[in-house]
Amino acid sequence: QQQVKQSPQSLIVQKGGIPIINCAYENTAFDYFPWYQQFPGKGPALLIAIRPDVSEKKEGRFTISFNKSAKQFSLHIMDSQPGDSATYFCAATRAGNMLTFGGGTRLMVKP
Amino acid sequence: DTGVSQNPRHKITKRGQNVTFRCDPISEHNRLYWYRQTLGQGPEFLTYFQNEAQLEKSRLLSDRFSAERPKGSFSTLEIQRTEQGDSAMYLCASSSSGGGETQYFGPGTRLLVL
Repeated sequence: QQQVKQSPQSLIVQKGGIPIINCAYENTAFDYFPWYQQFPGKGPALLIAIRPDVSEKKEGRFTISFNKSAKQFSLHIMDSQPGDSATYFCAATRAGNMLTFGGGTRLMVKP
Repeated sequence: DTGVSQNPRHKITKRGQNVTFRCDPISEHNRLYWYRQTLGQGPEFLTYFQNEAQLEKSRLLSDRFSAERPKGSFSTLEIQRTEQGDSAMYLCASSSSGGGETQYFGPGTRLLVL
């Protein structure tokens, strides 16, 4: 059972654009929602994370918006750059146990 | 750099052989996780340890897979009688149980079973 659904699967934006990646979860026991960035052949690297008692969190050019009632959260990348081209994964966990990942979004930022 | 390290980075083996991977977590982290990632998919949880105790195992982890963390430091993941379907990236992550849920990943071990 896929407990975290991520969309879109792929996304192409121009440099400076604001790509938005969406995730929806089912398990209301989840209490921590990280986003990871992964480049080909590398392990996932933590970008930003949020807890459900916060509606928005911003770190640099990355912003998470969280809607607890809808069980949805999204990642916005401001002023996107070609170096942001990577695969992005949302994830969810409860009490620091296993991460449940979304299916990933392959982002391409064109110069 | 004191991040999570994994060895080897790449492994090619023939079907039916046994393989073993090693993960060294961030030194102060007492939780260690193993995930498997196939091409184009998100990582899938396999198992995790708190110190030397294996606390949870996924149903994905068949009898051919075994993991250990004998002294609560490094961990090994062994796959016996490998099958072509075992070809994947095997990722290790670590975290601190002291209120920190953030899991930090290593570079992974890419396994190819011929």
